Amino acid sequence: DARVTQTPRDKVTEMGQEVTMRCQPILGHNTVFWYRQTMMQGLELLAYFRNRAPLDDSGMPKDRFSAEMPDATLATLKIQPSEPRDSAVYFCASGSGTGGGYTFGSGTRLTVV
Amino acid sequence: AQSVTQPDIHITVSEGASLELRCNYSYGATPYLFWYVQSPGQGLQLLLKYFSGDTLVQGIKGFEAEFKRSQSSFNLRKPSVHWSDAAEYFCAVGAGGLTGGGNKLTFGTGTQLKVEL
Repeated sequence: DARVTQTPRDKVTEMGQEVTMRCQPILGHNTVFWYRQTMMQGLELLAYFRNRAPLDDSGMPKDRFSAEMPDATLATLKIQPSEPRDSAVYFCASGSGTGGGYTFGSGTRLTVV
Repeated sequence: AQSVTQPDIHITVSEGASLELRCNYSYGATPYLFWYVQSPGQGLQLLLKYFSGDTLVQGIKGFEAEFKRSQSSFNLRKPSVHWSDAAEYFCAVGAGGLTGGGNKLTFGTGTQLKVEL
């Protein structure tokens, strides 16, 4: 089965450091999402792209988070500087547009100490 | 704005018993509805989805869900639960078509299923 690949699987970093999470969407999928999951907030949409163009990033703290798709095979989510409250599992998902039913990656578990 | 309510945070059932997980949504037009399952340490796996047509949809692992427009519900069911079904289940709603809002999904808070042997 085709998969969404996320790296790294786990990341522990110190407060103030830059963190970059990567996602390889399924080949042919034109929509990519970034979600954050925490116990308190559940699944929150951070940003999403269609055909590499950002459609909505209103869920992201603009001052420290940025999301990009340098090409169709790579999506990145950066946090600079990182803070302890950013500790969460970050999921990438991809799909083929109308109708949803997106495929999720296994997530990046971020711990900021 | 679209929203999803899963009223049950935890549910415990015995293996072999039937299961129903509740989901209520709020959306101004015909929604696209989904159920996902998440095992510990894993991503979300799509169980089933409803776009249009038959209101009873079949999914993987023996799950089904019924769309009831009058009740704004999309409850997930399984006739006989297996111990391996223990996981967290998420209902989600999305906008249809390539609208300005795109097809972003809004998730409920999840229902944790425990299966007693």
